[in-house]
Amino acid sequence: QVQLKESGPGLVQPSETLSLTCTVSGFSLTSYNVHWVRQPPGKGLEWMGVMWSGGSTDYNSALKSRLSISRDTSKNQVFLKMNSLQSEDTTTYYCARDAFALDYFDYWGQGVMVTVSS
Amino acid sequence: DVQMTQSPSNLAASPGESVSINCKASKSISKYLAWYQQKPGKANKLLIYSGSTLQSGTPSRFSGSGSGTDFTLTIRNLEPEDFGLYYCQQHNEYPPTFGAGTKLELK
Repeated sequence: QVQLKESGPGLVQPSETLSLTCTVSGFSLTSYNVHWVRQPPGKGLEWMGVMWSGGSTDYNSALKSRLSISRDTSKNQVFLKMNSLQSEDTTTYYCARDAFALDYFDYWGQGVMVTVSS
Repeated sequence: DVQMTQSPSNLAASPGESVSINCKASKSISKYLAWYQQKPGKANKLLIYSGSTLQSGTPSRFSGSGSGTDFTLTIRNLEPEDFGLYYCQQHNEYPPTFGAGTKLELK
């Protein structure tokens, strides 16, 4: 059974770094790509970046300077780190699996809400 | 980036009715459009990909059509569980981009 689950702090101070973990089960990170997508409250979805099955990454150009995605295949985990957080980074963060590298997402985590506030 | 314009933003309907949600791309995306359903407390659900291909498990009352820049999601004979948010997403080129969403509410 394919599952993805995001975890991380619910509250982050402005200007600090956000660290999130996506723990997956039911598939191998070396066979499927895993993406990060975020959604501000009441707004649409924004693609953030991807950990390709081969271990490389790509990022949304608007976030590239602040964003880093990595993984630990032995733990079935994909990590997101984003620095210099501001209030507009208050949003729900999702990880999602890429279906057969066709760039749509067949499985999603339930998301983790992160608030940036002092 | 490809801009996706989704309409309407809100839609009210009753069980048994049929509804359509539209999605327009700022440039041709061939057939590569996906539709998702979002409900509170649940993971987003892929309904349709490549414009008209139903994901395994998607009920046949859902259908997708369109190509190029204009796409439509149609839900026939609405069931109570169909009410929620719907998003389109182009999967023709990077970065993947989404529409702003359509809230389907019970009339």
